[in-house]
This record gives sequence, structure tokens and C-alpha cells, in this order.
Amino acid sequence: DVKVTQSSRYLVKRTGEKVFLECVQDMDHENMFWYRQDPGLGLRLIYFSYDVKMKEKGDIPEGYSVSREKKERFSLILESASTNQTSMYLCASSGQGRPGANVLTFGAGSRLTVL
Amino acid sequence: EDKVVQSPLSLVVHEGDTVTLNCSYEVTNFRSLLWYKQEKKAPTFLFMLTSSGIEKKSGRLSSILDKKELFSILNITATQTGDSAVYLCNIVRNAGNMLTFGGGTRLMVKP
Repeated sequence: DVKVTQSSRYLVKRTGEKVFLECVQDMDHENMFWYRQDPGLGLRLIYFSYDVKMKEKGDIPEGYSVSREKKERFSLILESASTNQTSMYLCASSGQGRPGANVLTFGAGSRLTVL
Repeated sequence: EDKVVQSPLSLVVHEGDTVTLNCSYEVTNFRSLLWYKQEKKAPTFLFMLTSSGIEKKSGRLSSILDKKELFSILNITATQTGDSAVYLCNIVRNAGNMLTFGGGTRLMVKP
């Protein structure tokens, strides 16, 4: 089974703290994505990566950065957390150049609360 | 600006009812439309639609795409409480790997 694992299910941080959200996939997928999900706004793409050390901004990259040093791992970093970054964060991955390549496999999500 | 709009926002039905969920879109370089179901955790894949007029079916769920009118519908017949979830519509574009999601439809099926 394709597996996307997010390191933390629930986090509570204080304003100004640095936050790392880790995501690991075990299917050798080229593409990895970070979304945030808020009520009424659906899933919004923060960043994605189509290869090691490559990253592209999504729709709402402000206040976030990412790191992809290894193919299986994609990290989302909040340099200085703010209360408006309280949200559910979903990591996803997909393959490339094969049937069904655009189907996303999601992790279970990380619910971040910033106080 | 690309748009993906799902309707209704939420829906409450009783077991056995049939529901139709709608996803309309305005995107450039459309490649395919995907439907996902999200219960408590991660969204799971339901259908991928690329061609107009070809129905995809899986048990009580079916979906079809109209590329002329720019929408897709997801039908669920004989609904069960286990169908309660948020249903997400996702557009894949030809340009790069950018994917756009709609806001989702929250379906609640009452016994």
C-alpha cells in the first residue's frame, strides 16, 4: 500500500516559534505537495516539489518554506508561526509519467494550533 | 484566475436517498478532473475523468465529465451512513504539476 506518513498528528505552538512538519512517502513518487485545509476554503496548495531540491510555490506560499533534500521526504517550515497559520496541513505525493500519475496519495494530516 | 466551484456546500439526506454533487471549473490547460472522498483523515481517491461523456462507475458511485459546459457530477445512489464525508473535486492542468481543489461538499447521511 502506498503510504504517506506525517510525523505529527497534533501540534500546539506559540506565536513566533519555528515549526517543522515532516512528510515521508515510501512509493518512490517524484511529486510531493503541501496543502492546508480550512473550513469553507477547501484545500489550498502551499508548495510542491517535483524532484529533489526542487520546489515551486503554490497558491499561498507566504509565511512558509519547504525543503526536499531526499526524494522520500518533504518538509514544511513555518519560520515564525502566527495565529492565522492555525490549520490542518496535508501532505500528498504522486508519481509521474505513468497511468494515474496525477492521483494524489495523502497523509493523515497534521493539525497545528498556534496560540 | 482559475476557479473550481463545488455545490452544494453541504447536504443532509437520509439513507436510501440519491445525491448529486456538482463541480464546475474555469481553468486553463485542463487535463483531468479527480474526485476524492475525505472522512475523518486523508482524502482518498474515487475517480479520474479525462474525456467528456464517459461515465465512471464504482458500486453506488458514478461520475461524468462535460468538457463543453465545464462541469462534472458525482452521483451516489442508495446512500448509506458510511457515505458521510467531504467530497473534493480536483483539477489537474497540463502546465506543470499545479492542481486546484474546489471547496468541497460536506455530505451527511442520516439513518
